[in-house]
Amino acid sequence: EVQLVESGGGLVQPGGSLRLSCAASGFTFSSYWMSWVRQAPGKGLEWVANIKQDGSEKYYVDSVKGRFTISRDNAKNSLYLQMNSLRAEDTAVYYCARDPTIFGVVSNYFDYWGQGTLVTVSS
Amino acid sequence: DIQMTQSPSSVSASVGDRVTITCRASQGISSWLAWYQQKPGKAPKLLIYAASSLQSGVPSRFSGSGSGTDFTLTISSLQPEDFATYYCQQANSFPLITFGQGTRLEIK
Repeated sequence: EVQLVESGGGLVQPGGSLRLSCAASGFTFSSYWMSWVRQAPGKGLEWVANIKQDGSEKYYVDSVKGRFTISRDNAKNSLYLQMNSLRAEDTAVYYCARDPTIFGVVSNYFDYWGQGTLVTVSS
Repeated sequence: DIQMTQSPSSVSASVGDRVTITCRASQGISSWLAWYQQKPGKAPKLLIYAASSLQSGVPSRFSGSGSGTDFTLTISSLQPEDFATYYCQQANSFPLITFGQGTRLEIK
């Protein structure tokens, strides 16, 4: 069974940092593109970043470029999101999501999601 | 960036009704569109990908259609468990993925 379990969320002051983790199981993690998607309280979904199977390609939504870094450790079946210079508008539930990655090619859909971890940026 | 606009923003319907939700892209995206269902406090669930392909395990009462800029999600006969918020998502402009604002489906 595919499972994605996020951790690392919490309350942080504006300008602070936080590192999110996503533990994957039930599939060959190293074969899939992975993404982070966030949802502000009461709002819609926003794609944040994604990363290729070997970590050689990484992409970000403009609002987090230069502040967030996506990474992965295939030996540990884990995905990460390092968030620096956090702002109030970064407050959201952050989901780890798997791209179906059919025949090794990114599809840009999300077939499995974690339960999410809440990040609150407030003084 | 490609903008995705859903309509209506909310809809009320009864069990057994047929419901259609539309999604319009600000530019052509071929068939690179997905639909998700989200229930309160839960992660989104993939229903439809490639505009009309049903994800494994999703009931056949869900169907998708469209290409280019205009798309629809249809639920043929609403069940109690279908009351949720639905999002469309374009997958054409790699790597910039964007979602619609959501359509809340409520019980009448």
